[in-house]
Amino acid sequence: KNEVEQSPQNLTAQEGEFITINCSYSVGISALHWLQQHPGGGIVSLFMLSSGKKKHGRLIATINIQEKHSSLHITASHPRDSAVYICAVRPNTDKLIFGTGTRLQVFP
Amino acid sequence: KAGVTQTPRYLIKTRGQQVTLSCSPISGHRSVSWYQQTPGQGLQFLFEYFSETQRNKGNFPGRFSGRQFSNSRSEMNVSTLELGDSALYLCASSASTETQYFGPGTRLLVL
Repeated sequence: KNEVEQSPQNLTAQEGEFITINCSYSVGISALHWLQQHPGGGIVSLFMLSSGKKKHGRLIATINIQEKHSSLHITASHPRDSAVYICAVRPNTDKLIFGTGTRLQVFP
Repeated sequence: KAGVTQTPRYLIKTRGQQVTLSCSPISGHRSVSWYQQTPGQGLQFLFEYFSETQRNKGNFPGRFSGRQFSNSRSEMNVSTLELGDSALYLCASSASTETQYFGPGTRLLVL
């Protein structure tokens, strides 16, 4: 079993829909990261969380430390949000462990 | 500020050769991490350097090595290349806030 599980693996949506991507992990962590990877490979760090909730524009990330679960929400989705979204956790041993990613396609 | 730069962006090598990849972090960032991304294994951590010292190492064979210079620039080296080393190699830099800033990656193809 992977230490970081993401769901769903693939997601399609119509423009304007509310999107949720989930991440569950099985180790104690000091921080959780949400990353966005566009075709071509470039990765952008969206959020780093250790508790609670963060918001940036149409993106919201939440984390529940007790349940070892995080969600990434996209409100009013747009075709430019199409990308792979990757959850990564930093266990107390300090090496980042990555989920397998969620491929999101938003159609106009 | 300029972002993280990686050179070269694309590289083709043959089995048995060695390769050196370079990463220049964002100015002022002292931590540099390296990652390998393949379709089969996804993103995997290779190593992390901070102020010229290797702080963490992933589960890769000894053929993978790295170093960091006094100006925080980092290199990673892969010796005796294998077909399975074909991957996107990503470098990321960070300051004390721990948010990582990724470079565009070096795409390595081993024939």
